[in-house]
Amino acid sequence: GQQLNQSPQSMFIQEGEDVSMNCTSSSIFNTWLWYKQEPGEGPVLLIALYKAGELTSNGRLTAQFGITRKDSFLNISASIPSDVGIYFCAGQRRGEETSGSRLTFGEGTQLTVNP
Amino acid sequence: NAGVMQNPRHLVRRRGQEARLRCSPVKGHSHVYWYRQLPEEGLKFMVYLQKENIIDESGMPKERFSAEFPKEGPSILRIQQVVRGDSAAYFCASSPSRGGNEKLFFGSGTQLSVL
Repeated sequence: GQQLNQSPQSMFIQEGEDVSMNCTSSSIFNTWLWYKQEPGEGPVLLIALYKAGELTSNGRLTAQFGITRKDSFLNISASIPSDVGIYFCAGQRRGEETSGSRLTFGEGTQLTVNP
Repeated sequence: NAGVMQNPRHLVRRRGQEARLRCSPVKGHSHVYWYRQLPEEGLKFMVYLQKENIIDESGMPKERFSAEFPKEGPSILRIQQVVRGDSAAYFCASSPSRGGNEKLFFGSGTQLSVL
């Protein structure tokens, strides 16, 4: 099946540092989304990107939809301890009869923030 | 998590027993997606259902697994004769339509442990 390559797999940073993670795909997606998952919980939507080249911010988070539609990155500025969790990228396609709003997920980036 | 309710949160079964996982979508949503997450991995698509219809079950194992979304009541993911490899977190998400550009909101998941 479709694979999304997400990197890095894990990051250990100091509080206050900026963080960057990215996802690449071998095929095009119409929408890119970024989710955060905390232990024992489901993924929570952080940012949704709908247009190639789009740059969107949500507080200290900034994400971009790559021009080629095959990649996206997420930046977190001035990290704080509560940023700890697993961050997932997800791609979504339109126009396929059976896919609906189905998502393809990356493998996740485990973020650890040391106070 | 925008009102997607899953139960139970934790389910323990012995090998060979049946597991039933329930998902009540956001009120008014008629499309449901089930995903499975193995430890330290991303979410993998299993099945996409609309009320009384299975739209796409390409991610679901052919044997022992089944899903339904009746006209009334929650969506059910059923696993017969569970094996240890079925141990995972199972997440449900819902959307209001098949628009293909809908944000998916996830429930908190059911953690299935097979002894």
